Amino acid sequence: SQQGEEDPQALSIQEGENATMNCSYKTSINNLQWYRQNSGRGLVHLILIRSNEREKHSGRLRVTLDTSKKSSSLLITASRAADTASYFCATDEAGANSKLTFGKGITLSVRP
Amino acid sequence: EPEVTQTPSHQVTQMGQEVILRCVPISNHLYFYWYRQILGQKVEFLVSFYNNEISEKSEIFDDQFSVERPDGSNFTLKIRSTKLEDSAMYFCASRVDSPSPLHFGNGTRLTVT
Repeated sequence: SQQGEEDPQALSIQEGENATMNCSYKTSINNLQWYRQNSGRGLVHLILIRSNEREKHSGRLRVTLDTSKKSSSLLITASRAADTASYFCATDEAGANSKLTFGKGITLSVRP
Repeated sequence: EPEVTQTPSHQVTQMGQEVILRCVPISNHLYFYWYRQILGQKVEFLVSFYNNEISEKSEIFDDQFSVERPDGSNFTLKIRSTKLEDSAMYFCASRVDSPSPLHFGNGTRLTVT
């Protein structure tokens, strides 16, 4: 398996519900980042959590990081139809020469 | 807000032809990247560039690929002899330092026929 694997691969929820997406990784990291991609567009950075942080909030987003389990979760609360997109986690590996490694992404569909 | 711009948005080329994909990173950024994404799948790292040289490259980035920063603003990816399997979205990204968030362009869709 690969660095930065998200699950589930696809998630369909009703507007107003919370969406939880998970990411697992294999190596030591400096930080972990979550990105969003609308269809046919570039990736947009959502939130960064450092390896010495356990939880971080930004608006309706909540990210957790468990370095002992090498996993992270992204929670979107009170989802909206406009949250429909693909979501990627990306790891900034410790010792790596500045690259970010992305997972395969999660397709989130929020039904109005 | 400053953004990364990529041109062209769509490039169609014949197998064996050379293509140059162009990017203008955000002006005060120091780290530059190319990634590619095939048919909405995984975002794959190609190459990173810092201080006017390649800092890391992936197995995908073989001798057919090259990058250049010919002046203070442009960052280009050249594919010398395109193959059908090079068809993908190519994303340029930059960041001010490492580690910090990446800023992506909207990509160039390369179609090799």
